[in-house]
Amino acid sequence: AQSVSQHNHHVILSEAASLELGCNYSYGGTVNLFWYVQYPGQHLQLLLKYFSGDPLVKGIKGFEAEFIKSKFSFNLRKPSVQWSDTAEYFCAVKNRGGGNKLTFGTGTQLKVEL
Amino acid sequence: EAGVVQSPRYKIIEKKQPVAFWCNPISGHNTLYWYLQNLGQGPELLIRYENEEAVDDSQLPKDRFSAERLKGVDSTLKIQPAELGDSAVYLCASSFSQGTGELFFGEGSRLTVL
Repeated sequence: AQSVSQHNHHVILSEAASLELGCNYSYGGTVNLFWYVQYPGQHLQLLLKYFSGDPLVKGIKGFEAEFIKSKFSFNLRKPSVQWSDTAEYFCAVKNRGGGNKLTFGTGTQLKVEL
Repeated sequence: EAGVVQSPRYKIIEKKQPVAFWCNPISGHNTLYWYLQNLGQGPELLIRYENEEAVDDSQLPKDRFSAERLKGVDSTLKIQPAELGDSAVYLCASSFSQGTGELFFGEGSRLTVL
């Protein structure tokens, strides 16, 4: 069974600091990769996704993620965070042969301080 | 376009009582999911429907949980009887079955069992 690991459970940064959140998955086949974000009091929403092609994908609000197949990783990055980026971030994996089942990591709570 | 609608947003019940959650997916989405999210954890799939058919219910505790999607649109998730450990957020999501795999989530139903 596939699994997803997010190494950082809580991250606190100051505004303008750079962000990198780790994500590793266990499935060895072809995967689709996602980062979802949940702002306080809001529903989960898609931040970015990788299906094929360029392993560096760009999402909304200046976020990007890089798929490194050899490391089974899909780390999320942002060069300069803002206070409004305070949220919980979830990495998720869907294996191509597994229908539409999406497996989530445990999430990383990001707090950005002014 | 309306998103995924869930109700109720909050529910407080005593243990051993029944509870039901309702979900209306995005129009045209034939795949519907119920996820369970415990505090500090990522969402975990309970059941997935393709139209009216439950195609993955392996994680649904069938002794007390049941779900239905009779006309392939709205869905109901029921717990009877509820236990203290059922306190969590119940998320509904929908997607196109042949789409990019992106799930669209509702705001969730937060259950507290006393």
